[in-house]
This record gives sequence, C-alpha cells and structure tokens, in this order.
Amino acid sequence: EAQVTQNPRYLITVTGKKLTVTCSQNMNHEYMSWYRQDPGLGLRQIYYSMNVEVTDKGDVPEGYKVSRKEKRNFPLILESPSPNQTSLYFCASSIKGPRAGGTQYFGPGTRLTVL
Amino acid sequence: KNQVEQSPQSLIILEGKNCTLQCNYTVSPFSNLRWYKQDTGRGPVSLTIMTFSENTKSNGRYTATLDADTKQSSLHITASQLSDSASYICVVTSTGGGNKLTFGTGTQLKVEL
Repeated sequence: EAQVTQNPRYLITVTGKKLTVTCSQNMNHEYMSWYRQDPGLGLRQIYYSMNVEVTDKGDVPEGYKVSRKEKRNFPLILESPSPNQTSLYFCASSIKGPRAGGTQYFGPGTRLTVL
Repeated sequence: KNQVEQSPQSLIILEGKNCTLQCNYTVSPFSNLRWYKQDTGRGPVSLTIMTFSENTKSNGRYTATLDADTKQSSLHITASQLSDSASYICVVTSTGGGNKLTFGTGTQLKVEL
C-alpha cells in the first residue's frame, strides 16, 4: 500500500532532550516536506526537500534540523526541544514539487508535547 | 507578505444542503492553488488543484473556482453529507522562492442531520 508513515505517533518529552521523528514513503517520491499545525495558525512548513541531499527552509525552520540521505526517508530532528515546539507534526511527499503541481500525500501526524 | 485568508472560519449546515467556502490570497507570483480536506486528527487530503488558466475544476460533489484577477477562489460543496464534516484548507504555491507553500487557516465545516 502506497503510504507515508511517521513514528512515533505520540511523544511526550522534556525540554532539551534531543528527539527524532521519522518519516518514510514508499512511493519513490522526490519531494518531501515537514509541517507543524497549531490551533488558529494552520499548517506551517518547516523544511522541505526536492531530492536526496537537497533540503531547504520553510517558514518556521528555527529549532529544527532535517536530513535526506535516502530518497524514502526524511527525519525531523529537534536538537533541544522547547515547550513552544509542542504541536502536531505532519510529513508529506509528492512525486514532484508543489510548483510543478505535485499532489502531496500526508502522513498520519505526530503529536508532540514538550514539558 | 504572502497571505491566504479563508472565510468563514466555521460553518454549520444541514445534511443535503449546499455551501460555499472562500479563499482570498495575496501570494505573488502565483503558481497554483489547491484545496485540501482534513478530517479531525488526520493528515490533509487533496481535493483539487488549479493553475492560473483554470477557472473551474470539479471532483465529485466538490467544485472549485479560481479568479486569478481578483485573487479569489471558492470551494462549493453540493448536497452535503455527514462525512463532509472536516476542515477545508486553501493552499497557494508561488513560482518564486523555491517550493514554499502558503496555507490558509481553514474553514471548519460541520454537517448536521
């Protein structure tokens, strides 16, 4: 089944404890992206990647890191999480980028709480 | 600054009725506009995508319109069903500045019996 998977789905952690949220897609998509969704603010793009070893900042990249060493995986790294990073996170992928009209397929989301 | 504004913020309608959701944007230069449906607790799912030259596009009971001159789009839902209850999000892509997206905050639709 074609899908985007994220792990973990739920995570409660404490300030400063490094964490990684994994994202994997099995559709051979070139474009992958991370978003956070907060009440009243909607979805905001954190980072995106057009292909292996190519990543770019979105609108809210501060406090996050990403890597794209393989086409299928695009992990989101929080080196030193803070409470303002408590949010619902979505990973998405598409065969081509949004400018080219690529349809993004979203993962199920990761609900992160930073105490 | 690129912005996408949606209205109304929330809407309650009776099953079987029609409704129209609005999206106004200031994103420039414009590449495309997409409408997503997001069920509670799940990731968004694409409904339609429209480019500059397209005025109308349908997907079943969903019909999107685009007026690139006034920078407005609408999503019309016909004969609503309980399963249409969700958040509807308008997303605009610019041709400039990489592949960044500008999201609206969504319209929360509730369909009642």
